[in-house]
Amino acid sequence: QKEVEQNSGPLSVPEGAIASLNCTYSDRGSQSFFWYRQYSGKSPELIMFIYSNGDKEDGRFTAQLNKASQYVSLLIRDSQPSDSATYLCASRSNSGYALNFGKGTSLLVTP
Amino acid sequence: DGGITQSPKYLFRKEGQNVTLSCEQNLNHDAMYWYRQDPGQGLRLIYYSQIVNDFQKGDIAEGYSVSREKKESFPLTVTSAQKNPTAFYLCASRQGAGYTFGSGTRLTVV
Repeated sequence: QKEVEQNSGPLSVPEGAIASLNCTYSDRGSQSFFWYRQYSGKSPELIMFIYSNGDKEDGRFTAQLNKASQYVSLLIRDSQPSDSATYLCASRSNSGYALNFGKGTSLLVTP
Repeated sequence: DGGITQSPKYLFRKEGQNVTLSCEQNLNHDAMYWYRQDPGQGLRLIYYSQIVNDFQKGDIAEGYSVSREKKESFPLTVTSAQKNPTAFYLCASRQGAGYTFGSGTRLTVV
């Protein structure tokens, strides 16, 4: 079973703080990892993806990947109330064709 | 603008009925996917298709059927064999590493 695990939250952070979202995966064959943001009742929007160990930065977002520990994280700097949403972590192996999703972490950014 | 169009946005099904959800893309993507999302849950894969006239079962294919007669279109039929179809259904397409989602169809059994 290819599991992607996330803490369901909610994770509450004050406006302007750093939000840290975490994800672990069980399939060592997983090669690519994706972070999606999903507002209530809407479809997921891609934030970023990562496939190399280390950090990848895009604006206020940084994805971190540690394949040895099978761990992926997403940092959101200067969190805004508009960042309040559910964040979905997903993995894909090189031999796989579809994304394997975690259940998501609910983030609440309080003014 | 290129994208994926799902219709209808809301769909109500009576017990014992088959219903078909539409998914059309103009991105020229080869691969297309159907996912189901239940409240508080992640997305679970129903079916996927890598090329026209070929498709594969995902993790929860029972009670669903699909076709891929055209590259642009990947309709999903929810049959009467699906005992608990109330959910949010998402269609996606992929080219390379990029997955694009449609806006979803919310199906409710009445």
